[in-house]
Amino acid sequence: DQQVKQNSPSLSVQEGRISILNCDYTNSMFDYFLWYKKYPAEGPTFLISISSIKDKNEDGRFTVFLNKSAKHLSLHIVPSQPGDSAVYFCAAYTGGGNKLTFGTGTQLKVEL
Amino acid sequence: NAGVTQTPKFQVLKTGQSMTLQCAQDMNHEYMSWYRQDPGMGLRLIHYSVGAGITDQGEVPNGYNVSRSTTEDFPLRLLSAAPSQTSVYFCASSHPTGVAADTQYFGPGTRLTVL
Repeated sequence: DQQVKQNSPSLSVQEGRISILNCDYTNSMFDYFLWYKKYPAEGPTFLISISSIKDKNEDGRFTVFLNKSAKHLSLHIVPSQPGDSAVYFCAAYTGGGNKLTFGTGTQLKVEL
Repeated sequence: NAGVTQTPKFQVLKTGQSMTLQCAQDMNHEYMSWYRQDPGMGLRLIHYSVGAGITDQGEVPNGYNVSRSTTEDFPLRLLSAAPSQTSVYFCASSHPTGVAADTQYFGPGTRLTVL
């Protein structure tokens, strides 16, 4: 049972344009959501997070939006840069624990 | 700080062999965990520990053992390797929930192949 789903395994975007990565979840107990970025042969690195009490969080070029009623979150990258090419994982916590549930990942390719 | 370190980087085992994947962190994090990454599956939690002497199972614990004798180290043992355990293994550490819980730091991974 995949509780966190990323239905697009890959996404290709031109440099300078917006990248939108999507994530859906089924567990209504999730109360904290994160995005991780992963380059080949490296471990994932934390990118941005959002609490379930908010609907938007920004950090520079990265913005995460949360729609609780739809159980959907998205990561917007504006403007996209070639260095953003990586696999992006959506992940979620339930309150009181550090156990992360990950999505399957989306491979983003930013082309020149 | 070295952060989270994992050894070895690569390993090839034969079916039935045992081995230990090493993980260490120097950030004094209470929480440590092991994940495996498989194609199309994302990262799945194997075992985790909330402090020295305390461990618990994650989503896919079968075939793996862990122990946490110190805050710094969290080794993962494969008791009798099977081809289904071919994967990339990541160790991670963080402070407990409520104390910058979003900064879960991952090691570089161990790529394991079981023949």
